[in-house]
Order: sequence, then structure tokens, then C-alpha cells
Amino acid sequence: NAGVTQTPKFQVLKTGQSMTLQCAQDMNHNSMYWYRQDPGMGLRLIYYSASEGTTDKGEVPNGYNVSRLNKREFSLRLESAAPSQTSVYFCASSVAPSGVEEQFFGPGTRLTVL
Amino acid sequence: DAKTTQPNSMESNEEEPVHLPCNHSTISGTDYIHWYRQLPSQGPEYVIHGLTSNVNNRMASLAIAEDRKSSTLILHRATLRDAAVYYCILRQNNDMRFGAGTRLTVKP
Repeated sequence: NAGVTQTPKFQVLKTGQSMTLQCAQDMNHNSMYWYRQDPGMGLRLIYYSASEGTTDKGEVPNGYNVSRLNKREFSLRLESAAPSQTSVYFCASSVAPSGVEEQFFGPGTRLTVL
Repeated sequence: DAKTTQPNSMESNEEEPVHLPCNHSTISGTDYIHWYRQLPSQGPEYVIHGLTSNVNNRMASLAIAEDRKSSTLILHRATLRDAAVYYCILRQNNDMRFGAGTRLTVKP
């Protein structure tokens, strides 16, 4: 049971380049999330998917798009990367989108935009 | 949005109890109190959560004030592996807002 996996682990982009961060979970969870964490700060929610086929904006969605490909996979796309998007990106999943359910986090992707 | 206030940092000695405080004076009746921790270079991991009553699990205890305006995470015997940033979060649904947390240092 791998839990939540993310690829790649590290990435360096130039301003204006695009890329997709991949996330997969093998726990049969319904809900998935993308967060970003800037140095010295807590995590901020970018987008979430309460269930397969649905996506919603979180606190900081500008500059990002997401795709819930199937129940297992939730990808985050940067269409035109900017230095302000340099951050560590975490994917998470939970059984259901409620205030009770524990969220399980992946190991993160460190992204640097030059 | 309901917010939480935590000390920036705390220190503890190994094998001693640790009490990590959190103030949330604007908590609403439907907010759950969650605690997560983040070890260096890892994603956050769930520690415990509660609504009104005190809670215990294998990792920690959560003591919630009667008016729910504050709570305390209790690690009964700190180990070096407990050194992490601890986040106190108020949560109603999907929206889990992390603050800066408390960085716990455990001294041998």
C-alpha cells in the first residue's frame, strides 16, 4: 500500500514553461487535494476534488488547473509558470469531503521557477 | 474564516510530556479542531481531532476547553522523532487552513 504518491519529486522550470504534477492514491479515497507550501509558512489549498468528476477552487487557485482523471489520479497543471509559483506542492486524499475525515499527504514536489 | 493562534516555537526534553497550546476564540459550533504535524522534508500527517470532548489516541491527547475557544495537544512522552511543526486547524469541510504552526524541538 503506497498511500499517496507524487511525481516528480523535484522540478526546475523557466518562466513561461508549462508542466503537470501527478498525484495518485491507492486507498480508494473519494476526495483529493492540492496544496502549496511556501518557505516558513503553512499549507494553502489550491484546488480540491470532492469526488470523481468534480473539482473546486481552494484558497489560491490562480495560475493553476486541475484534472481528476479517475478515482485514483488528480493532476495539477501550471500553464505558464511564474517565479511566484516556486514552492513545495503536496497532494492529499481523504475518504470523504467532510470536516472529520483525516487527510493523507504525499511526500511533495519541490518546484523552482527561474 | 475562523483562525488559530499558536506559539512559534517550543522546546521539550526527551521523555517528558509536552503541552502545545492553540487559541481559536472565533471558533464556530460546527468547526472541528484538527492537529497535524509535519516532520522535516515530509508531508503533514494527521495527529488527532475533536469537536467538544477530550480525545485520546495512540499518538496524543487533545484537551478542549469547555467554551471551545482554546485547545491543547498533549504528547505524553516526547521522543526525538516528535520534533516537527505542529499545526492546529479549524475545519468544517474540505477547507483546511494551515497557519504557521508551532515548531517543537526535543532535546535529548
